[in-house]
Amino acid sequence: DSGVTQTPKHLITATGQRVTLRCSPRSGDLSVYWYQQSLDQGLQFLIQYYNGEERAKGNILERFSAQQFPDLHSELNLSSLELGDSALYFCASSGPHRADEAFFGQGTRLTVV
Amino acid sequence: TQLLEQSPQFLSIQEGENLTVYCNSSSVFSSLQWYRQEPGEGPVLLVTVVTGGEVKKLKRLTFQFGDARKDSSLHITAAQPGDTGLYLCAGAETSGTYKYIFGTGTRLKVLA
Repeated sequence: DSGVTQTPKHLITATGQRVTLRCSPRSGDLSVYWYQQSLDQGLQFLIQYYNGEERAKGNILERFSAQQFPDLHSELNLSSLELGDSALYFCASSGPHRADEAFFGQGTRLTVV
Repeated sequence: TQLLEQSPQFLSIQEGENLTVYCNSSSVFSSLQWYRQEPGEGPVLLVTVVTGGEVKKLKRLTFQFGDARKDSSLHITAAQPGDTGLYLCAGAETSGTYKYIFGTGTRLKVLA
């Protein structure tokens, strides 16, 4: 158990809909990262937050947004969903002393039908 | 954006064989991490290498960081079916963007 919690584990929704994925980082970790992993693909960096502030942005679509709340949990919002958004979405967190070591949640499997 | 290229992309070997996976970049990384990911699970951190030329051992796994800190390798001795999985290298960009990026991945299958 990495200590990172993601909910829900599975999500099935229709095209055009909006969903919210939730992540609780490990206790004490200030950084939260979001990644997308399509079938048999690598991990694509979406966005990183540090202590509530956006720190780095990757190839995140304009239809996607995220935030980190004062209690350090984070949410990834995906809107106007398309079939191609079907993927595993992972959240990871890292601590202040070893920011280069990420601990991952179990992921949310999103299926858009 | 800095890139991390891994090779080979796929590897299928018999139990007991040795193998090496490579992670290469044209850019310098302050550190590199190796992760292993099993189907439907999140990646799990195996090791961090920090110093150029550094070698770390984790049971049958040996990790090396290149002298110039642009590349790394993972060597597995006497592979076992339990080693099967997706191996990923990762690192934080040093270009000031703070992006934490992952390599393209090596999918290893060890046959009993």
